[in-house]
Amino acid sequence: EVQLVQSGAEVKKPGESLKISCEGSGYSFSSYWIAWVRQVPGKGLEWMGILNPRDSDTRYSPSFQGQVTISADRSFSTAYLQWRILQASDSAIYFCARSYSQYIGRYYYGLDVWGQGTTVTVSS
Amino acid sequence: QSVLTQPPSASGTPGQRVTISCSGSSSNIGTNTVNWYQQLPGTAPKLLIHSNNQRPSGVSARFSGSKSGTSASLAISGLQSEDEADYYCSAWDDSLNGYVVFGGGTKLTVL
Repeated sequence: EVQLVQSGAEVKKPGESLKISCEGSGYSFSSYWIAWVRQVPGKGLEWMGILNPRDSDTRYSPSFQGQVTISADRSFSTAYLQWRILQASDSAIYFCARSYSQYIGRYYYGLDVWGQGTTVTVSS
Repeated sequence: QSVLTQPPSASGTPGQRVTISCSGSSSNIGTNTVNWYQQLPGTAPKLLIHSNNQRPSGVSARFSGSKSGTSASLAISGLQSEDEADYYCSAWDDSLNGYVVFGGGTKLTVL
């Protein structure tokens, strides 16, 4: 079974750093781009960025460029989303998801496998 | 403010056909394909339509998609109570280094 399993909920203070994870299984992890999507409770989906595990090519949404870092470790079939300095406004649910196709751009066909979500709460 | 524009809400009665619109621009919908997601309360989104009008395996044929120019639509026929959910459109945007944009979402209520 193809699945993405994310790390557990986090409670942090403003100014702290954080790295959450997303482990893929049941498929060739290096063959499909992995994206991160943010959702503030009660609000819509916000696309943060996407990474190619094969060569670490990463594209960020302008809204999140410089605010977070997306990375991956192919040896562990795991993708990561990292913050250097958390703010209260980073409180949200974060989903990782696999690209349906092996390509982006004109041949990007959406995200077909999703993790269960990681809730991040940033509060003093 | 989302790059893709969707109506915030839509509604219909069981058995009806409803459509949800999604408007974009030449850098996203006008050039690339549109994907649609369904999100039930408390769950992760589910890919409903990809490549404008293609259903992934297991998605009901009651869901269909179309695209014309810089706009797209999701149609749901034979509306059922379990269709009550949030629906999002999405597309690759060729601006800057390229990234994905979402619509703001449409809350579908089955009356």
